[in-house]
Amino acid sequence: SAVISQKPSRDICQRGTSLTIQCQVDSQVTMMFWYRQQPGQSLTLIATANQGSEATYESGFVIDKFPISRPNLTFSTLTVSNMSPEDSSIYLCSVTKSGGSTDTQYFGPGTRLTVL
Amino acid sequence: SQELEQSPQSLIVQEGKNLTINCTSSKTLYGLYWYKQKYGEGLIFLMMLQKGGEEKSHEKITAKLDEKKQQSSLHITASQPSHAGIYLCGAVSYNTDKLIFGTGTRLQVFP
Repeated sequence: SAVISQKPSRDICQRGTSLTIQCQVDSQVTMMFWYRQQPGQSLTLIATANQGSEATYESGFVIDKFPISRPNLTFSTLTVSNMSPEDSSIYLCSVTKSGGSTDTQYFGPGTRLTVL
Repeated sequence: SQELEQSPQSLIVQEGKNLTINCTSSKTLYGLYWYKQKYGEGLIFLMMLQKGGEEKSHEKITAKLDEKKQQSSLHITASQPSHAGIYLCGAVSYNTDKLIFGTGTRLQVFP
């Protein structure tokens, strides 16, 4: 399994500001993912962050709005830039771990963001 | 594109009752995950199913994947308030190789 921590656990921010969310894993992983969960909805993948290369963004998400860093195999950050109330969501970091013939995806506890 | 649909969307049961949550895919599943999310928190991995007809249990929760690998069910026996939360099924997308999620089922268990 993987133990994932995120900071901050929650924050309340003003419109137009930026917030950087940190994700720390207890072991080295190749692939890290960032998800967004808007109120009352399921999870949506924002981007895949691989160490040593640019993050790959899903349709509807752009690097200028959600810059991602992946400096090593245990850490990543997601920045939510120029925030608006529509960015109020839970942001979740996730990693894939291999266990024999199967891969399992684990999630961090999430960062609850409220934008006023 | 592949989609996962869960039913019911919400469920309110009395403590001690059994319940079932279903997850149906528009395409064949090559790995089906069940997660539990407490309100406003992260996801807890429950179990993963891969083979048609596979069934796994953990404590009072049993998950099954049908033979055709397009539907999975999650069954909770003798529900308790601690089972309350949102249950999400997830699967690796046939098109994109990324994990996609169902719409979620919100479970409430009252004493």
